[in-house]
Amino acid sequence: QVQLQESGPGLVKPSETLSLTCTVSGGSISSFHWSWIRQPPGKGLEWIGLIYHSGYTDYNPSLKSRVTISFDTSKNQFSLKLSSVTAADTAVYYCARTVVAATPESVDFDYWGQGTLVTVSS
Amino acid sequence: SYVLTQPPSVSVAPGQTARITCGGNNIGSKSVHWYRQKPGQAPVLVVYDDSARPSGIPERFSGSNSGNTATLTISRVEAGDGADFYCQVWDSTSDRYVVFGGGTKLTVL
Repeated sequence: QVQLQESGPGLVKPSETLSLTCTVSGGSISSFHWSWIRQPPGKGLEWIGLIYHSGYTDYNPSLKSRVTISFDTSKNQFSLKLSSVTAADTAVYYCARTVVAATPESVDFDYWGQGTLVTVSS
Repeated sequence: SYVLTQPPSVSVAPGQTARITCGGNNIGSKSVHWYRQKPGQAPVLVVYDDSARPSGIPERFSGSNSGNTATLTISRVEAGDGADFYCQVWDSTSDRYVVFGGGTKLTVL
């Protein structure tokens, strides 16, 4: 059974960089694709970005200039960096295993971490 | 950008059928996925590729997709089905990105 666990600081200062790690157990990170998704308190889901097993990435256009997603295959982890954060980036951040299909083009999320709350405040 | 529209809330009595819609321009040409999220928990995939069910999801959950509307149908609703439900697609007409609907709160009366 695949399990995902987010980790990282729960409090980040405005203008700094938010950094989170997702540790995957029960499967090799190199065999699948992975995403970050967030949810501001009391609001809906927002996709942040996706890293394919090749290392190629797709990002939400609204966040693209501030986001980097990368692998650390030696630790079976992938990470999120979001720069120049503001209070609007306060949210529960989820990592998720991502299923990608070609015909028709499709992406969905079959396993999720429990989420971690990150608050942006001075 | 592509937009998915869901009703903010749906209410249904136990034992009845709940239908949650997800509207989008020609959504019938896309694969639609549905997630259930209970308070304080991570979302769970309940329907993928319009109408397929992951292992462990009851047959009471079904999906359809045609034209400009996708629908999640929950038959014989139980008290424990109350949750937020989100539809989701992949859009690649201009940029390549995931789109979520705004979510629908299902209340079991």
